[in-house]
Amino acid sequence: AQKVTQAQTEISVVEKEDVTLDCVYETRDTTYYLFWYKQPPSGELVFLIRRNSFDEQNEISGRYSWNFQKSTSSFNFTITASQVVDSAVYFCALRTLLLDGGSQGNLIFGKGTKLSVKP
Amino acid sequence: DAGVIQSPRHEVTEMGQEVTLRCKPISGHDYLFWYRQTMMRGLELLIYFNNNVPIDDSGMPEDRFSAKMPNASFSTLKIQPSEPRDSAVYFCASRAGTGVMTDTQYFGPGTRLTVL
Repeated sequence: AQKVTQAQTEISVVEKEDVTLDCVYETRDTTYYLFWYKQPPSGELVFLIRRNSFDEQNEISGRYSWNFQKSTSSFNFTITASQVVDSAVYFCALRTLLLDGGSQGNLIFGKGTKLSVKP
Repeated sequence: DAGVIQSPRHEVTEMGQEVTLRCKPISGHDYLFWYRQTMMRGLELLIYFNNNVPIDDSGMPEDRFSAKMPNASFSTLKIQPSEPRDSAVYFCASRAGTGVMTDTQYFGPGTRLTVL
């Protein structure tokens, strides 16, 4: 079965703190893609990053960084020096190429982590 | 380039009424997805199309829900008759065909549906 677990339901930090959002996934496929999306209070879903299973290099984009570790099936997201505008729900998602009950190619989302950054 | 376009952005209707949600995918994208988001169930995939053909509708909750994609640039999700439990945010998303650089789904802004 394919599954994405975001164990942290809600996180609250004070501005300028670093925060890490955890994501653990399960899949039998050897080729898959991992994603992070941001959903700010306005409600839209904004794509942040895609990672392929064969590329374990960590990635940094400004204050955002992602740590992909196949050994622990994790794809964690760190925000450095958080800001109030980072307040949102963050979703981790998995897409595999397995034919699995018709779900091939679909995104499987975690439940999301609500991040609140207080001034 | 325009992103995924959804209309209306907000819809308030009364129980029993027909509701039609509309989506225009990103031009050139072969796949179109309809999702529903609620507090209780999170993001659920309802149905998706590939080249205008429905591929998997196993997420459609019941016969009251139907979706069509008459052409590559337009899709509808219809609820008839609507019920209060259908209240949710409905997202449309699209992506290009399978390939390393084309595997990202882009979402529309969503339609917030309230059924009274």
